[in-house]
Amino acid sequence: KAGVTQTPRYLIKTRGQQVTLSCSPISGHRSVSWYQQTPGQGLQFLFEYFSETQRNKGNFPGRFSGRQFSNSRSEMNVSTLELGDSALYLCASRDQREGPGELFFGEGSRLTVL
Amino acid sequence: AQSVTQPDIHITVSEGASLELRCNYSYGATPYLFWYVQSPGQGLQLLLKYFSGDTLVQGIKGFEAEFKRSQSSFNLRKPSVHWSDAAEYFCAVGGTGGGNKLTFGTGTQLKVEL
Repeated sequence: KAGVTQTPRYLIKTRGQQVTLSCSPISGHRSVSWYQQTPGQGLQFLFEYFSETQRNKGNFPGRFSGRQFSNSRSEMNVSTLELGDSALYLCASRDQREGPGELFFGEGSRLTVL
Repeated sequence: AQSVTQPDIHITVSEGASLELRCNYSYGATPYLFWYVQSPGQGLQLLLKYFSGDTLVQGIKGFEAEFKRSQSSFNLRKPSVHWSDAAEYFCAVGGTGGGNKLTFGTGTQLKVEL
């Protein structure tokens, strides 16, 4: 069974631009969440989706948004990029039949904002 | 608000030596507790989890952790470290409401000397 796939793996943007990151969860997993990882702030929860509905959201500004499609694939978007948005963005999927927090992470999308 | 403290930023052990990584949490009720590991350039992998019951939990790769409610701790242990265990280790706490929203500690970087 394939793991969580994130694309692109690396990208460079400039301030003010926007970016869209994609995540394909493990087959059969309908729950997808996103985390931001930075050296300064560590791992921070962005949002969680299940069956195309956002179930939970972290403390990030409205520039950060996401969505989930009917095939459980998810995208997150960051608009008006700032230097501080440079980070590794991790997507994780979960089988709802398993316990909470048992997440399977992708390798991440590393965003650099210049 | 829930929080996780990993007091050791870096730990160096010799191969074959025992390992203990410390984790303290703050949570108003009985938490769900997790240890994840991240190798360079990789996403996070779940090592083990505690939901309830036996306070000593076994995980993958020979790791175990002990939940001590009185000390609000969930320390990770391994009797004999292998060079391949070098990675960053994250303790996390989740709410009993379920879902994917975890609060992570800042991580402990493990170096293994041959």
